[in-house]
Amino acid sequence: AQSVTQPDIHITVSEGASLELRCNYSYGATPYLFWYVQSPGQGLQLLLKYFSGDTLVQGIKGFEAEFKRSQSSFNLRKPSVHWSDAAEYFCAVVVTGTASKLTFGTGTRLQVTL
Amino acid sequence: EAGVAQSPRYKIIEKRQSVAFWCNPISGHATLYWYQQILGQGPKLLIQFQNNGVVDDSQLPKDRFSAERLKGVDSTLKIQPAKLEDSAVYLCASSRDGYEQYFGPGTRLTVT
Repeated sequence: AQSVTQPDIHITVSEGASLELRCNYSYGATPYLFWYVQSPGQGLQLLLKYFSGDTLVQGIKGFEAEFKRSQSSFNLRKPSVHWSDAAEYFCAVVVTGTASKLTFGTGTRLQVTL
Repeated sequence: EAGVAQSPRYKIIEKRQSVAFWCNPISGHATLYWYQQILGQGPKLLIQFQNNGVVDDSQLPKDRFSAERLKGVDSTLKIQPAKLEDSAVYLCASSRDGYEQYFGPGTRLTVT
C-alpha cells in the first residue's frame, strides 16, 4: 500500500535560518508529489508540486523541493525562514494511473523563534 | 478566481445529533473531494466526485455519513448520528485536472 512518511513531527528554527523538512514515500509506480502548508484554522495551500522533468522545483513563498528517486524522497527547503512560515506542512503523493487519490503524510509542525 | 467555499466554519453538536456541511468548488472544477482531518493527522479522503458521480467512497462510514453533489457543482456532506470520534476538521477540495487540488478553509466540528 502507498504511504508517505514525514519523520519530524515538530521542528523549531530561528528566523533567518535555513529549513529542510523531510518526506519519504513508498510506491512501486511513479508518483506525483506535493507539499501543502496549513496555517492555524485554515485550509491547505499548495506550495509546490513535482510531476516530471527537473527534479528541483520552485514553489511559492521562497520554498523549493528536490525529488530524489533513488532515496524515494521529496524534501522541502527554504534558505531563510520568516516568522510567518510557522505552520503545519504536509507532504502528499498521487500515484499516477489511479483515480487521483492524494495520500498525505502526518505533517510537520514548524515553529519559528525570533 | 474565487476559491473553494465552505460553510459553516465551526459547528458544535451533541452526540447522536445530525449535521451537514456545504461546499462550493472552484468554477469549472469537475472533481470534488471531502476529507476528514483529525487533530494531529493528515487529511483522509472520505469521498471523491467526478461531476455528480461518485468515484471513490471506500473510506466513507456509510452507516452514518452521506454525501451528494447535485448538478455537478455544490456538495453537501452529512453525518447522522454523530459520534464523539467524528470531531475533526472537514475539508472540501476541488480539481480541474484530477491531480492538483485546491482546498477550502474547512469546517471544524466538535461533538460533545
